Amino acid sequence: GAVVSQHPSRVICKSGTSVKIECRSLDFQATTMFWYRQFPKQSLMLMATSNEGSKATYEQGVEKDKFLINHASLTLSTLTVTSAHPEDSSFYICSARNTGLPPTSGQYFGPGTRLTVT
Amino acid sequence: TQLLEQSPQFLSIQEGENLTVYCNSSSVFSSLQWYRQEPGEGPVLLVTVVTGGEVKKLKRLTFQFGDARKDSSLHITAAQPGDTGLYLCAGLNYGQNFVFGPGTRLSVLP
Repeated sequence: GAVVSQHPSRVICKSGTSVKIECRSLDFQATTMFWYRQFPKQSLMLMATSNEGSKATYEQGVEKDKFLINHASLTLSTLTVTSAHPEDSSFYICSARNTGLPPTSGQYFGPGTRLTVT
Repeated sequence: TQLLEQSPQFLSIQEGENLTVYCNSSSVFSSLQWYRQEPGEGPVLLVTVVTGGEVKKLKRLTFQFGDARKDSSLHITAAQPGDTGLYLCAGLNYGQNFVFGPGTRLSVLP
């Protein structure tokens, strides 16, 4: 199977501080990873597409200077929430694309990171 | 812009009932995936369908990909409380991008 991990699973930080979330593809290489945000009882909202070795592509309305994305290797992408505020509190989920042939091809999600900014 | 619609948006049923969730689009997809997400966790891939008209079964879950590869359905037989969750469909277009539906939130009451 294709496994994606995220770390940390939960984080509480004070307003004004920065938080880094890691997303790793454990058993496949992913040139493309995605970062989503999910509010309670809602679907996933794509924030940005992370491409290995190049700049991330941000969705409209997502501040690239606030949500820094780095995809330095084929198995790791990081999302840093800078100068966090309480309104940034949310469930952040990453996914990685496995470009192998079906049935293994597809987009696989990490378990998510619950961020709480106090 | 490619869009995937899902219906119903919310569904609350009693344990033992059957249900069908639909995923529709005006666009053609090379493949389509179904995910289930439980509260506080990431979505888990249930199935990938690739061929138009394909039917796949996963225990009590039956997935069908439309002949024209524009729509899909998920049928659950004898639903159980453990089936509760958010069901998401995602279509892979020929540009190799995934498009997600808004999800169907299922609640199975004991």
